[in-house]
Amino acid sequence: SAVISQKPSRDICQRGTSLTIQCQVDSQVTMMFWYRQQPGQSLTLIATANQGSEATYESGFVIDKFPISRPNLTFSTLTVSNMSPEDSSIYLCSVEDRDAYEQYFGPGTRLTVT
Amino acid sequence: KNEVEQSPQNLTAQEGEFITINCSYSVGISALHWLQQHPGGGIVSLFMLSSGKKKHGRLIATINIQEKHSSLHITASHPRDSAVYICAAETSGSRLTFGEGTQLTVNP
Repeated sequence: SAVISQKPSRDICQRGTSLTIQCQVDSQVTMMFWYRQQPGQSLTLIATANQGSEATYESGFVIDKFPISRPNLTFSTLTVSNMSPEDSSIYLCSVEDRDAYEQYFGPGTRLTVT
Repeated sequence: KNEVEQSPQNLTAQEGEFITINCSYSVGISALHWLQQHPGGGIVSLFMLSSGKKKHGRLIATINIQEKHSSLHITASHPRDSAVYICAAETSGSRLTFGEGTQLTVNP
């Protein structure tokens, strides 16, 4: 199994500022995923982060707004840039272990933008 | 129409009842996931399946690839089963598309 930690667990930020969320996995994984869960909604995939290559963004999400780093096989960051109240969400990272038929999720970062 | 649809959206049951949550999808998938999200927001993977049936404790997940339909069953439900249950279709590149979730409340 994989254990995922995220920092910060929550934050309240001012409009126009940026926040970087960290995701740490206790084992090496090829693919890491970043999701957003807006209030009362289900999850939406933001991007897929592979080590050593540019992240792949889903429709509606762009690198300038959500830059992602993936410096090694156990760590990734997601930055939410130039925040607005519409960015208030829970942001989660996840990894998949296909051999174990498991998907693991971090505990999430609850972001409130005022 | 969403690519992944769940029913019902909300479900209230009495302790001990047999529960079924349904999931239909319209995309080609490599696997179908069932997830559980508790009120604090934490998400736990329950099942990942690409065919047939899987069982873990009181939970059973089935999938019919031809009909593009999956079900999650909970036998002998308990108040601690109260949570949001989410199905997600895995497509190319291990990307997940999520259903809207089913809020389950099990009353003692």
